[in-house]
Amino acid sequence: QVQLVQSGSELKNPGASVKVSCKASGYTFTSYPLGWVRQAPGQGLEWMGWINTDTGTPTYARGFRGRFVLSLDTSVSTTYLQIANLQTEDTALYYCARIDTVLPYLDVWGKGTSVTVS
Amino acid sequence: QSVLTQPPSASGTPGQTVTISCSGSTSNIGTNYVYWYRRLPGTAPDLLIYDNDQRPSGVPDRFSGSKSGTSASLAISGLRSEDEGDYYCATWDDTLRGPVFGGGTSLTAL
Repeated sequence: QVQLVQSGSELKNPGASVKVSCKASGYTFTSYPLGWVRQAPGQGLEWMGWINTDTGTPTYARGFRGRFVLSLDTSVSTTYLQIANLQTEDTALYYCARIDTVLPYLDVWGKGTSVTVS
Repeated sequence: QSVLTQPPSASGTPGQTVTISCSGSTSNIGTNYVYWYRRLPGTAPDLLIYDNDQRPSGVPDRFSGSKSGTSASLAISGLRSEDEGDYYCATWDDTLRGPVFGGGTSLTAL
């Protein structure tokens, strides 16, 4: 079945960096773009950006340009979210999601990766 | 402050119909499809409604979506305790050139 499996929880110091992975299975990886959504504690969902899995081109939402980098490795059907110079306000759950046809049609979600900066 | 406005909470007794609203503008809901996501406690979000009123396979017909002008609604009929969770609307915003989510509505079955 179609699945997105994310890497495990991370605990980081301020100023460090983190790389979260999202491995796809059950479908042709390059046929669907993948997006990332953040949920900070007590807050709602926030769109971060997406990556074209065919070309590797990322597109970032406002507020997620600079310290946030989306990348992929098609050989292992995996996309990555890297956050540099972590701040305490980056503490959140980070979800990857498959984009079906158009945004924000997110038809399959990963279980989320908790990143704590403290 | 979310671009799309949802009530922070909603509630109903089991069996009732509960409606959650989502208000936007001409640059988002007024001209684009609306999607609804549900996040049950301890789980990842999942898609309930796409293209304003379409249900993905596997979503019961107790869930229905509608859109009128710059507002949209999600109705849940025959409310069950397992429906408790957070519900989010989402759409594309032409001005921001990206997807936007509502702030979420926490649903309680009394």
